[in-house]
Amino acid sequence: GESVGLHLPTLSVQEGDNSIINCAYSNSASDYFIWYKQESGKGPQFIIDIRSNMDKRQGQRVTVLLNKTVKHLSLQIAATQPGDSAVYFCAENIAGTALIFGKGTTLSVSS
Amino acid sequence: EAEVAQSPRYKITEKSQAVAFWCDPISGHATLYWYRQILGQGPELLVQFQDESVVDDSQLPKDRFSAERLKGVDSTLKIQPAELGDSAMYLCASSRRDTQETQYFGPGTRLLVL
Repeated sequence: GESVGLHLPTLSVQEGDNSIINCAYSNSASDYFIWYKQESGKGPQFIIDIRSNMDKRQGQRVTVLLNKTVKHLSLQIAATQPGDSAVYFCAENIAGTALIFGKGTTLSVSS
Repeated sequence: EAEVAQSPRYKITEKSQAVAFWCDPISGHATLYWYRQILGQGPELLVQFQDESVVDDSQLPKDRFSAERLKGVDSTLKIQPAELGDSAMYLCASSRRDTQETQYFGPGTRLLVL
């Protein structure tokens, strides 16, 4: 069947383009999700979060979409800038348990 | 803007030696986490504190790792003896009260065991 939101380990875009980073989460009982950005040699930086009672949340230049039917999460970055180049991780959890991080996607933005 | 502080930022040690990492969470954050991140992978939880109590240390290799948060504020993670496979980034994070509050990460301590 068709794979929705196939995870890509790397994504290369041109400055000004929109970027979409996908994540498949593992636990259908998870009810809280976070996207983090991690630059080389630094700790993860919070970008945006979403709870399972929502399917979309917008921040500044970023939008997170949640599809619980297929256990898929995506991060959309509008007008991608060179400063957006980093590794992006999604994370999930169930209340009372630790965050579980997905595989990272390295975003490279060329000007 | 308040941040999670960690020290040292880098540590090189020889196997069988003891190492210790320190974390100071954001003021007022009751929950503190220690994660380990191997290069190219996402962070994995080692231990979680709520105030001064451990609430999850199921993934902490207790034969060599220990963690404490005696006064419910700052925390220390210790490895004794260090092994080659412990080389990784050790990250501390904190959140206001529970696991579904946003977790904010410190800059990490990069450990290299020779």
